[in-house]
Amino acid sequence: GENVEQHPSTLSVQEGDSAVIKCTYSDSASNYFPWYKQELGKRPQLIIDIRSNVGEKKDQRIAVTLNKTAKHFSLHITETQPEDSAVYFCAASIRSGGSYIPTFGRGTSLIVHP
Amino acid sequence: EPEVTQTPSHQVTQMGQEVILRCVPISNHLYFYWYRQILGQKVEFLVSFYNNEISEKSEIFDDQFSVERPDGSNFTLKIRSTKLEDSAMYFCASTGEAYNEQFFGPGTRLTVL
Repeated sequence: GENVEQHPSTLSVQEGDSAVIKCTYSDSASNYFPWYKQELGKRPQLIIDIRSNVGEKKDQRIAVTLNKTAKHFSLHITETQPEDSAVYFCAASIRSGGSYIPTFGRGTSLIVHP
Repeated sequence: EPEVTQTPSHQVTQMGQEVILRCVPISNHLYFYWYRQILGQKVEFLVSFYNNEISEKSEIFDDQFSVERPDGSNFTLKIRSTKLEDSAMYFCASTGEAYNEQFFGPGTRLTVL
């Protein structure tokens, strides 16, 4: 089955700095890669996603890049703010029966210091 | 904005007891999911459900687990005989269209004593 590795497990930055979180996956059949933000005690919320026919996608301060050949994808947050502090999960998903079935990474705890 | 809801928010049970976790997906959604997150660990897929049947399930989703859509609004996860290791946060999610974004509920924290 799919295996997703996510690094780093903890990332501490100063407000205004950039943050980069990297994930690798093993199954070349994965073709949908969402990123979720989870604040303490709350539900995971999708912040950005990318499909395998696209190499990069950007939404304001957040961008995701995908390298299918190397099987890795990354989340980039620019101009970080304290409210960006949360756990971020990547996922690599395969298509099955109308659904994307995700395998999640272990999460990155991002701490943005004011 | 419509949201997935789950009840209860916290369930405490004794080992060996049956529990039913309830979810109300977003009203026009057609695809439903259950996930598990053990404290401090990653989210794990349990099962997907479409057209009143299971589409996909993981190795975690063994004979102790079952899902049901008993009416037009609820989607339930039953654990027949709970074990200590079933203690986790359980998230329900739903999707409106095939191969689209999943919306997560707030979760039910299950504690098995």
